[in-house]
Amino acid sequence: AQTVTQSQPEMSVQEAETVTLSCTYDTSESDYYLFWYKQPPSRQMILVIRQEAYKQQNATENRFSVNFQKAAKSFSLKISDSQLGDAAMYFCAYRSAHGSGNTGKLIFGQGTTLQVKP
Amino acid sequence: ETGVTQSPTHLIKTRGQQVTLRCSSQSGHNTVSWYQQALGQGPQFIFQYYREEENGRGNFPPRFSGLQFPNYSSELNVNALELDDSALYLCASSSRQGEQFFGPGTRLTVL
Repeated sequence: AQTVTQSQPEMSVQEAETVTLSCTYDTSESDYYLFWYKQPPSRQMILVIRQEAYKQQNATENRFSVNFQKAAKSFSLKISDSQLGDAAMYFCAYRSAHGSGNTGKLIFGQGTTLQVKP
Repeated sequence: ETGVTQSPTHLIKTRGQQVTLRCSSQSGHNTVSWYQQALGQGPQFIFQYYREEENGRGNFPPRFSGLQFPNYSSELNVNALELDDSALYLCASSSRQGEQFFGPGTRLTVL
């Protein structure tokens, strides 16, 4: 069974600075997707960034980028130029890409609460 | 394009009661997944519906059941509520194997 682990329950960053959130996962599959979701106090889960395991190039979305290390099963999120609106709970998630009966279910980590200080 | 909606926003029930939560999927999506998120935890997969049939289930007892309708909206039913069922229930819609878009959730409190 696949597992996702986020070892940092809380992180803080100064506005305009850079912060990195860590995530490790365990799987025996070779083809899968990894995601970072943001959940602000409004509760709506918002997709931040997505990485396909078969792509070696790290995904980037504006101020958000990932460091995907497939062999190490590590998937960290870097937020550059942090803004007050980035304050939220961040979840790392895994999804299988193939397989019979594959539901495409997301497996989430425990989350990291990010505080942004003005 | 209308996003994923859920109703009600929050509700309070007592132990032993039954509850029905509703989810309207995003236009063009035929798959709905339900997740339970306990306070301070990551969401846990309950089950998924694809074209009106259950298409996978997480580690939840049979008192958690669901439906999907021809318009792809969905219901989550929980019977014999327990205190531990208190959580945020999230619905996500997608095309088959596509990106999941989440609704705002329903906060259930069981007293």
